[in-house]
Amino acid sequence: KAGVTQTPRYLIKTRGQQVTLSCSPISGHRSVSWYQQTPGQGLQFLFEYFSETQRNKGNFPGRFSGRQFSNSRSEMNVSTLELGDSALYLCASSLYGTSASSYNEQFFGPGTRLTVL
Amino acid sequence: GQNIDQPTEMTATEGAIVQINCTYQTSGFNGLFWYQQHAGEAPTFLSYNVLDGLEEKGRFSSFLSRSKGYSYLLLKELQMKDSASYLCAVSGSGTYKYIFGTGTRLKVLA
Repeated sequence: KAGVTQTPRYLIKTRGQQVTLSCSPISGHRSVSWYQQTPGQGLQFLFEYFSETQRNKGNFPGRFSGRQFSNSRSEMNVSTLELGDSALYLCASSLYGTSASSYNEQFFGPGTRLTVL
Repeated sequence: GQNIDQPTEMTATEGAIVQINCTYQTSGFNGLFWYQQHAGEAPTFLSYNVLDGLEEKGRFSSFLSRSKGYSYLLLKELQMKDSASYLCAVSGSGTYKYIFGTGTRLKVLA
């Protein structure tokens, strides 16, 4: 079974630009969560999509948005990039949503390393 | 509020045993996960605890006390490849999402 894939793996952008990151979950998984990871903050939850609906959202500005398609693939968009957006962006898929009451392991993709200059 | 605390860094010697602690305060609890993350790589699942007690898996064990909001990850017979960050994460119920600690960076010395 193929794992979670993310594209691109590396990205360099300049301030003010926008960027779109893509995540393909494990086949059969309907939940995709996005995280931002920086050295000082650890993993910070951005949002979660389940069956094309945003179910949860973290404390990030509206410049960060996402969507999920009918095949469960998800995209994350960051507009008007700032230097502080430089980070590793990880997506994780799971069989059930993060609200599930049963065991629900998340499987992480390799991440997209975004550098904003 | 919701919070997870872990030590920032730990150092241990090859062959030794190390215990990484995690304390949490969350509005709901549906399980606690431990992940390992090597530098530049994605986190990988190590263990899951939802009931009190010890879960053992080879050289790795994880313990949970829900009444104390406390967990630990125990690594035995440390190897150089165990040098990594170890992330504690709590999953809640309802609309609650996964909350991750900032991770504990473990250095294993020869």
